[in-house]
Amino acid sequence: DSGVTQTPKHLITATGQRVTLRCSPRSGDLSVYWYQQSLDQGLQFLIQYYNGEERAKGNILERFSAQQFPDLHSELNLSSLELGDSALYFCASSVTTADTQYFGPGTRLTVL
Amino acid sequence: GDSVTQMEGPVTLSEEAFLTINCTYTATGYPSLFWYVQYPGEGLQLLLKATKADDKGSNKGFEATYRKETTSFHLEKGSVQVSDSAVYFCALSANAGGTSYGKLTFGQGTILTVHP
Repeated sequence: DSGVTQTPKHLITATGQRVTLRCSPRSGDLSVYWYQQSLDQGLQFLIQYYNGEERAKGNILERFSAQQFPDLHSELNLSSLELGDSALYFCASSVTTADTQYFGPGTRLTVL
Repeated sequence: GDSVTQMEGPVTLSEEAFLTINCTYTATGYPSLFWYVQYPGEGLQLLLKATKADDKGSNKGFEATYRKETTSFHLEKGSVQVSDSAVYFCALSANAGGTSYGKLTFGQGTILTVHP
């Protein structure tokens, strides 16, 4: 158990819908990262927050957004969902940007 | 941009066999290098890491040495067990001017299956 929690574990929804994935970092970690794992793209970095502020952006679609709240938990919002958004979404956390990242168990999103 | 290339899988071995999974990288500056492991139905776990050239990371019998001259970070284990069956990911985190950019760039993953 890494100490990073993600909810829900599984999510099944329809095209065009909007969903929110939630991540609680390890106690004391200030940085949160979101990654997408899909069969065709592999593991890709989406976005990073540090102490409530966006720090880096990767291959994140405009339909996707994220935020980190004052209690340091983070949410990833996915809207206008398409079939191709079906994937495993991982959250990771670290104390600072330079430290080892610890991954949560992931949320499996299925878009039908 | 930064990239990581792993040997194609899947890799199938018998118990107690020697394991090598090749990993090479392209990055500016001096990245930190990692191996993560993903067991079926689980998230990624850090297996080992190295933060500078010639460092050797080791954990649970696995080893990898940061080779700057060949831009490689190959994973090795002398005697694999059935419980080592998993997907192994090589990754890098770019650094420049003493600043870590944090985000991880992953290889495509190598599926390892160990038979009794």
